[in-house]
Parts: sequence; structure tokens; C-alpha cells
Amino acid sequence: RKEVEQDPGPFNVPEGATVAFNCTYSNSASQSFFWYRQDCRKEPKLLMSVYSSGNEDGRFTAQLNRASQYISLLIRDSKLSDSATYLCVVTLYGNKLVFGAGTILRVKS
Amino acid sequence: DTEVTQTPKHLVMGMTNKKSLKCEQHMGHRAMYWYKQKAKKPPELMFVYSYEKLSINESVPSRFSPECPNSSLLNLHLHALQPEDSALYLCASSQEGSYTEAFFGQGTRLTVV
Repeated sequence: RKEVEQDPGPFNVPEGATVAFNCTYSNSASQSFFWYRQDCRKEPKLLMSVYSSGNEDGRFTAQLNRASQYISLLIRDSKLSDSATYLCVVTLYGNKLVFGAGTILRVKS
Repeated sequence: DTEVTQTPKHLVMGMTNKKSLKCEQHMGHRAMYWYKQKAKKPPELMFVYSYEKLSINESVPSRFSPECPNSSLLNLHLHALQPEDSALYLCASSQEGSYTEAFFGQGTRLTVV
């Protein structure tokens, strides 16, 4: 079983739509959780950290459920500029960051 | 703008060449990483340095040799690579510990011919 699993998509949505991405992780000892965004041929960039209490940054909301080992990202009012690959990242022991395969989002006008 | 700087941005090398990739950060981070990313795949961890010591080697072939000369610099020495080693090589850094995010450089796009 992969350490971090994501639905690869692609998710094709119209502008203004709400879209949700899910991610599951296999190691219950995982310590921290992040969503990164990667544009084509660019480096991954941190979108947001994910906490059990949930956190929101503008149109983006992330949630962690440790009991279910499940992480989510909700994007409201999608913009064309949100088109990218969204990577779920989990930290194991000793700074070991593990990436999920990524979910492709395409927002169309 | 990224605060992790990688050079060169592009590199073409023959299978008998020796080359080095360089990475620099001035954020005071004590953990530094090398990742390899193939097209349409996620980044794959290669090495982690913590306080300038190698802490994780993900069973990477010896033709890749990392080096951390000081807390701001990370090198990846390349020798006798194969065409399948062609990829985007990403450097990242973070605070030490498992609760902090990593910041990535723009990467070196390597082609082995």
C-alpha cells in the first residue's frame, strides 16, 4: 500500500465551482501534513499546512482526520489560476516528507 | 519568489561526465533535501541532511553522491549517469523537526545523453 494516496483526477470544473480533494495516509505515526501546489514544469509550492482543528486561507480550507488518516482540501469559487497539480504531503520520522501522486485540477471558463 | 536557489537550471551531460548540482538557502534551515521528479510523477525523496549530516538515503545508486559543506549549501555530485536518470532534481530546505514545511528551489532539469 502506498504511504500517501490521492485521486489523480483530472478534475475538470468551471470557474466559480467548489471542488474537493481527498488524501489518505497509511502510517498512523505521521506527524505533519501539508498541501502543496505544483504548476507545470515548476517547483512545488506550499499551499497550506493541515491541522486537526481545520484551517482556512481565503478560498481554501484544509482538514485533517487523524482517526481516519484522511486529509482534505476544499477550494471554493475556483479561478482559472487555480489550475495546477495539488500534492498531499505527509511527514514521517526525521524530516522524511512523502508526497502523494498529486491531483490535477483544470478550471475552465 | 523562492529563497532556495539551485544552479544550474538546465544541464545536459554525457554518461561518462562528472557534474555537480548546487543548492543554497539563507533561511537558517538545518534540514536540506534532494528530490528527483520524473514527468507526471510526484517528487521522490533521495537524501535528507540534518545539521549537515546525512540522515536519510533512500537507497539511491552510488552514481549520485550528496555533500553538505555547510548549513547553507547542498551539492549533488553526478558520475556515470544513465539516460533514465534524466529528470528534474529539486532541492528543498526546512527547519529541523517533523512539524515544519519545506521550501523548494526551482530545480535543475537534467538530461543524460
